[in-house]
Amino acid sequence: GAGVSQSPSNKVTEKGKDVELRCDPISGHTALYWYRQSLGQGLEFLIYFQGNSAPDKSGLPSDRFSAERTGGSVSTLTIQRTQQEDSAVYLCASSTRSMTMNTEAFFGQGTRLTVV
Amino acid sequence: SQQGEEDPQALSIQEGENATMNCSYKTSINNLQWYRQNSGRGLVHLILIRSNEREKHSGRLRVTLDTSKKSSSLLITASRAADTASYFCATDWMDTGRRALTFGSGTRLQVQP
Repeated sequence: GAGVSQSPSNKVTEKGKDVELRCDPISGHTALYWYRQSLGQGLEFLIYFQGNSAPDKSGLPSDRFSAERTGGSVSTLTIQRTQQEDSAVYLCASSTRSMTMNTEAFFGQGTRLTVV
Repeated sequence: SQQGEEDPQALSIQEGENATMNCSYKTSINNLQWYRQNSGRGLVHLILIRSNEREKHSGRLRVTLDTSKKSSSLLITASRAADTASYFCATDWMDTGRRALTFGSGTRLQVQP
């Protein structure tokens, strides 16, 4: 597809269950970001992948959160043992990157996660 | 704390008026970007201004950057009801400690028809 694709669009899960959120970035984009956004709030950085470099995991809120990016393309964000405070919209974005800076980021429509 | 902080948090204006939103940040940057978000879903990129630029225009948008004050402003001229959205600034840090774009808390703009 032409844009960043995220699936599922919505996910309702029971507290304590594991969830996987998927992101298909734009082909050729080397940088991939995950953010989460609580209702009416700003974007909270979670994790950043850039090419073959080690990912920047500094935003992951706990060890229940992990992410992979396979083959430099698709990424999966996994939340283990979900808690109610994990409820939020999880946004994925991708971009190209010059030698020195991040360029325009293209966002998917997000996954709305509700933990009940 | 957030790298970028927008103010005001919320702004309500009449159609045809200009809307100005401000963003402040704390560290040296490569560039600063403005995004728009409708209905709490995906963000759309509006404009990117590099650290060596002071002003940039795109249609009805005008962005300024003052690196000495670590601040930027987004001006939307002749606003329309369709401009109603949340607007976020994002900074690309020069510091290699954070390589991702860092977003502020946003300004919610309401344009009354």
